[in-house]
Amino acid sequence: AQRVTQPEKLLSVFKGAPVELKCNYSYSGSPELFWYVQYSRQRLQLLLRHISRESIKGFTADLNKGETSFHLKKPFAQEEDSAMYYCALLAGGTSYGKLTFGQGTILTVHP
Amino acid sequence: GAGVSQSPRYKVAKRGQDVALRCDPISGHVSLFWYQQALGQGPEFLTYFQNEAQLDKSGLPSDRFFAERPEGSVSTLKIQRTQQEDSAVYLCASSAGVRGQETQYFGPGTRLLVL
Repeated sequence: AQRVTQPEKLLSVFKGAPVELKCNYSYSGSPELFWYVQYSRQRLQLLLRHISRESIKGFTADLNKGETSFHLKKPFAQEEDSAMYYCALLAGGTSYGKLTFGQGTILTVHP
Repeated sequence: GAGVSQSPRYKVAKRGQDVALRCDPISGHVSLFWYQQALGQGPEFLTYFQNEAQLDKSGLPSDRFFAERPEGSVSTLKIQRTQQEDSAVYLCASSAGVRGQETQYFGPGTRLLVL
């Protein structure tokens, strides 16, 4: 069975500092990885996915199959990045999109 | 356009009561998912519909949980004889296709508290 681990429940940085939210996964096959974000009083929404290899709001994430990691990074954090972030995995062979989520990391960016 | 909507937004139930949670997906979306999110945890998969067919219900925690989507649009998650451990946020998500790569759009959730 697949598993997603986000080791940090809380992460605090100052505005302008680099930020990295860690995500490790356990899955024997070839997964697809996603980052979802939930801003205060808003619903859960997709931030980025590894297959598109795009940068959204300055965030990037690289899938490292050797380390089974998919860490989310941003070189210069902004106050509006404060939110709950979830890493999620889509198991290969699951054709319809059943996601396995990590426990989430609350990011706080201080002014 | 309207996103995924859920009702009620909050529900308080006495232990043993039955509850019904509604999800209105984005119009035309084929796939519909239900997730359960306990306090301090990430969402956990409950069940999946492709149109009106329930193709996966492996995440339903007990036979007290039942979901339906009879016309391939609105879905209802029913919990019978609620227990305190059922207290959680229930999230609904829909996506346009049937392949996993399509973006899932989430509703605001229904927060259920069982006393």
